[in-house]
Amino acid sequence: QSVLTQPPSVSGAPGQRVTISCSGSSSNIGAGYDVHWYQQLPGTAPKLLIYANSIRPSGVPDRFSGSKSGTLASLAITGLQAEDEADYYCQSYDRSLSGSVFGGGTKLAVL
Amino acid sequence: QLQLQESGSGLVRASQTLSLTCAVSGDSITSGDYSWSWIRQPPGKGLEWIGSIYHSMTTSYNPSLKSRVTMSVDRSKNQLSLKLTSLTAADTALYFCARGDYFDSAGYYFDSWGRGTLVTVSS
Repeated sequence: QSVLTQPPSVSGAPGQRVTISCSGSSSNIGAGYDVHWYQQLPGTAPKLLIYANSIRPSGVPDRFSGSKSGTLASLAITGLQAEDEADYYCQSYDRSLSGSVFGGGTKLAVL
Repeated sequence: QLQLQESGSGLVRASQTLSLTCAVSGDSITSGDYSWSWIRQPPGKGLEWIGSIYHSMTTSYNPSLKSRVTMSVDRSKNQLSLKLTSLTAADTALYFCARGDYFDSAGYYFDSWGRGTLVTVSS
C-alpha cells in the first residue's frame, strides 16, 4: 500500500487529454511539500517530468502540466501521443516517515 | 553531463548482504547541495525509496528498511554505496541510484537516474 494513491490505469485516444491524480495526506502533500512526477517508459529508468508541483524541466513538452491543491496533485497530458504510453509516478516528502514517498504508479494506455 | 552507473552483486543468497555501488561521472559527488539516493523497483511493481545521503553526509532511510540499510559516499572514488543485510526474496528488485535536488526547501526530487541494476535473491 503506497503512501500516495494513484489510479492503477488511465487511457485515452490520440489527441485527447488525460489526467492522473495523486492523493496524499496532511503529513505529505497537505503539509505543503512539493509533488514531483516521473515518466517511466518500458524497460527504462524513470525520467523527471514535473518538479515542484508544476515546473517542467528543460526538454519536457508543454503538453505535460502539473497542479496541486490541498492533499491532491494532478498531472495532465494534452494532445495525447502514442509515445506517451508509459508508467507515471508521483513523489513527495512525508514528515512522519522523514523521507521520500512514491505513488503506486499509473499505467497510461494510448488507445 | 551527469551520468550514474550502478554495479554490484546481481545474484545473492537469502540471509546474505547486498552490496551495490553507484559511480558518478560528469560532476563531483560533493558539488552543490544535492542528495544521493537509492530507489528500488520489484519486478512489475512500483518505486520504493530506500534512503538518501545529503551534502552534510547525514543519512535518512526508509523506516521499513532502516534496520538493514547502510549508505555511504566515497569522495575519492566519486561513488555512492549501498549495503542491505538479511536479504529475503522480497528484496529482489531493480535498484536505481539517483541525484536529488530541491526547489524551495519543500522536498527533494530526483533529477538524474542510473539505468538500474537487477538484484535477485535466491533461496
